[in-house]
Amino acid sequence: DIQMTQSPSTLSASVGDRVTITCRASQSISSWLAWYQQKPGKAPKLLIYRASSLESGVPSKFSGSGSGTEFTLTLSSLQPDDFATYYCQQYNSYPLTFGQGTKVEIK
Amino acid sequence: EVQLVESGGGLIQPGGSLRLSCAASGFTVSGNYMSWVRQAPGKGLEWVSVIYSGGTTYYADSVKGRFTISRDNSKNTLYLQMNSLRAEDTAVYYCARGGYASSWSVNIAIDVWGQGTTVTVSS
Repeated sequence: DIQMTQSPSTLSASVGDRVTITCRASQSISSWLAWYQQKPGKAPKLLIYRASSLESGVPSKFSGSGSGTEFTLTLSSLQPDDFATYYCQQYNSYPLTFGQGTKVEIK
Repeated sequence: EVQLVESGGGLIQPGGSLRLSCAASGFTVSGNYMSWVRQAPGKGLEWVSVIYSGGTTYYADSVKGRFTISRDNSKNTLYLQMNSLRAEDTAVYYCARGGYASSWSVNIAIDVWGQGTTVTVSS
């Protein structure tokens, strides 16, 4: 199975900050990586697919990059609505696997 | 509007069975790859199973042999039959569209999620 490791696990930031979350795969997954945002009690929401493609309707403040084993999600100018937990997921092979999540908190 | 609505969750004793349903609207279950993903209380996301438009299925090792994914095209509904339930199966179960992984074609991310249904396995 492909292990996905996110860092940091928790990130404290202020409104207006630019933040970056890293996701590492235990083996190459090409660009088959997605990023999701999840708020408490809600279903995850797709933000980025194929490592860097922005899902329709998602604001351009979210951006993704990387390929192979190392990926990043960047959020520019954090707003109150962006405080949530973010997950990466590989869909290169089964079983599909998720990172453990990064909780973005208000500093 | 594209939508997924799960039902069928509840409290069940260890060793029991439960069938989850997921009604789709705005697209056809039969024409898409459909997945189940679960989330234990306070934990992260865990992929459970996928069914291809052609009927091929895959499962996580943790549920293989106990869970069965299926669909009813006439009802545009996805199912997850869960047998021999264990305490560690306690989770919110999400129905989702997508989740195709292949070595020779364009893979498909999970892009639409239901609201989830809660399964609690406890005596």
